Amino acid sequence: AQKVTQAQTEISVVEKEDVTLDCVYETRDTTYYLFWYKQPPSGELVFLIRRNSFDEQNEISGRYSWNFQKSTSSFNFTITASQVVDSAVYFCALSFRKGGKLIFGQGTELSVKP
Amino acid sequence: EPEVTQTPSHQVTQMGQEVILRCVPISNHLYFYWYRQILGQKVEFLVSFYNNEISEKSEIFDDQFSVERPDGSNFTLKIRSTKLEDSAMYFCASSEAEVLSYEQYFGPGTRLTVT
Repeated sequence: AQKVTQAQTEISVVEKEDVTLDCVYETRDTTYYLFWYKQPPSGELVFLIRRNSFDEQNEISGRYSWNFQKSTSSFNFTITASQVVDSAVYFCALSFRKGGKLIFGQGTELSVKP
Repeated sequence: EPEVTQTPSHQVTQMGQEVILRCVPISNHLYFYWYRQILGQKVEFLVSFYNNEISEKSEIFDDQFSVERPDGSNFTLKIRSTKLEDSAMYFCASSEAEVLSYEQYFGPGTRLTVT
């Protein structure tokens, strides 16, 4: 089965806390691509990061970091020192070829309270 | 910065009516997509389009749906006879699908309400 699971439906934190959003994927393919998207309350889908299956290097972008581990089929997303503006639904997604469809997880709704 | 645009932002229609949702993808992108998101649920793939033809479609994309690229800039999704369950947010996306740039960029969405 080709599937993305985001087991955390909702997370609530207080500003400045660190928070990790979990993403676990299932696939038998050896080549695949992983993504994170942010959906703020305004509703649009904002691309955050992509990773291909050959690149297990973790990435840091400001307060955001991503941990890709093929051994556990996980692609987790950490926000350091969270801010109210980080409040959104975050989706993890999987694709099998460039140009291929995205398979989304159910999303994790993050609420950051002041 | 180039972006995907969609019109209208909100469409209300009666059951059984035809609707056309419009999208203008990013100009140098080659792959185009439609997704939908029923309120509070995950984003679901409908169809992808490349080189003037459908490259992949989901089970949701039945005979009631069609897509078209009528000119060099627009990409449309038509629902022939809308049902109540078609009420959702419809997102258009586009992608370069190149070696170093294969992410999909999404438009702001069209909220379709079928009454």
